Order: sequence, then structure tokens, then C-alpha cells
Amino acid sequence: AQTVTQSQPEMSVQEAETVTLSCTYDTSESDYYLFWYKQPPSRQMILVIRQEAYKQQNATENRFSVNFQKAAKSFSLKISDSQLGDAAMYFCAYRRSKAAGNKLTFGGGTRVLVKP
Amino acid sequence: DTEVTQTPKHLVMGMTNKKSLKCEQHMGHRAMYWYKQKAKKPPELMFVYSYEKLSINESVPSRFSPECPNSSLLNLHLHALQPEDSALYLCASSQGQGDTGELFFGEGSRLTVL
Repeated sequence: AQTVTQSQPEMSVQEAETVTLSCTYDTSESDYYLFWYKQPPSRQMILVIRQEAYKQQNATENRFSVNFQKAAKSFSLKISDSQLGDAAMYFCAYRRSKAAGNKLTFGGGTRVLVKP
Repeated sequence: DTEVTQTPKHLVMGMTNKKSLKCEQHMGHRAMYWYKQKAKKPPELMFVYSYEKLSINESVPSRFSPECPNSSLLNLHLHALQPEDSALYLCASSQGQGDTGELFFGEGSRLTVL
């Protein structure tokens, strides 16, 4: 079974600074999909960024970027120029396939606190 | 329309009640999911419907009964629940083949069992 591990329960960052969240996963598949979701207190899961394992290039979305190390099974998220609105719970997630009905498995989450 | 709509947002029920949670999407997605999330924990998968057929049941107790009347609707029927079933219930959908792989989530239904 696939497992996703986030080793940092909580991270604190000063506004406008950079923070990096760690994620490791375990899989025997060669092709899969990785995601970072954000869950603010409003509780809706919002997709932050996605990475397809067959793509070597790291994904970026505005202030969010990932460092995808396939051999090491590592998928970290970097938040640059942190803003107060970035404060939330961040979940790393793994999906084996895009096929309909294939499940998404979450890591334990990292709470990000942003200090003004 | 990129929304997954869940109703009700909050539900309080007794252990002998029967209630239902409802989820709706109009994105043409062919897979729908129920996740359960306890406080400060990640979501845990309960059920998956793929093309309106139940494809995954993660050994969920029978007091939870899912139903997928059509490709846009997903219900979760609740009966004889226990206080430990109190949680946030998240519905999600995904397109299937040819999509970007992500799941789209609703805002959730906060359930309290007294």
C-alpha cells in the first residue's frame, strides 16, 4: 500500500519569507501523481500544485514550487513571499493513476503559521 | 462550474436518527468520493463510485450507506451512528481518463452525533 509521510507537524514563517514543507512517499509504481492541497480553517481542500511523476521538470504555480526527487521519493513544497492568507493545513497527497475512481492518499499534514 | 456542493454544512443527530448527506457536482466527472476527516487528521477514504458503481469500500461500517443515483449526485445515508462518528465528511469528484488527476473537494458536512 502507498504511504505518504509529512515529518513536520507545524511550520512557522515570517510574512514575505520562504518556507519549505517536506513530504516523502512510498510506492512501487513508476508512473503516478503527486499533489499539495491546502485546507484553511474554512475547511475546503484547495489544490495548490500537482506533479506528474513522468515529468522531470519541477512544477511551479506563482509563489508555490516543488522539489520532486523521484529516486528519493521526495516531494517538498516551497512557499515564497509568504502571505497571511497562506496560513492553513497543507497536505501532501499521492494518486497512483488518473483513472476514474482511483483514490487519493494523504499525508498527515503540516500546519503553516504566518507571522505578520 | 468547478464546484462540488455539499449539504447540509452542519448536522447534529442522535444515535437513533436516520439522516443523509448530499453531494452534487456538475462538472461531468465520472468518479465521486466520500472521505471522513477527524480534527487535526488527514482525510480518510470511505467510498468511491466510478461510473455510478461502487468501486471501493474501505471496510466502512454498515451504519454508513452510500448511494449514487446518477453521475452528478452522491449521497451518504447515516443510521444508528456512534459519537465517534462525529467528523467532517468531505465529498470529492474527479474526471477520469484524460484529466489532470486532481480531486475537486466540497466544503464538507460537519457531523455531530450526540
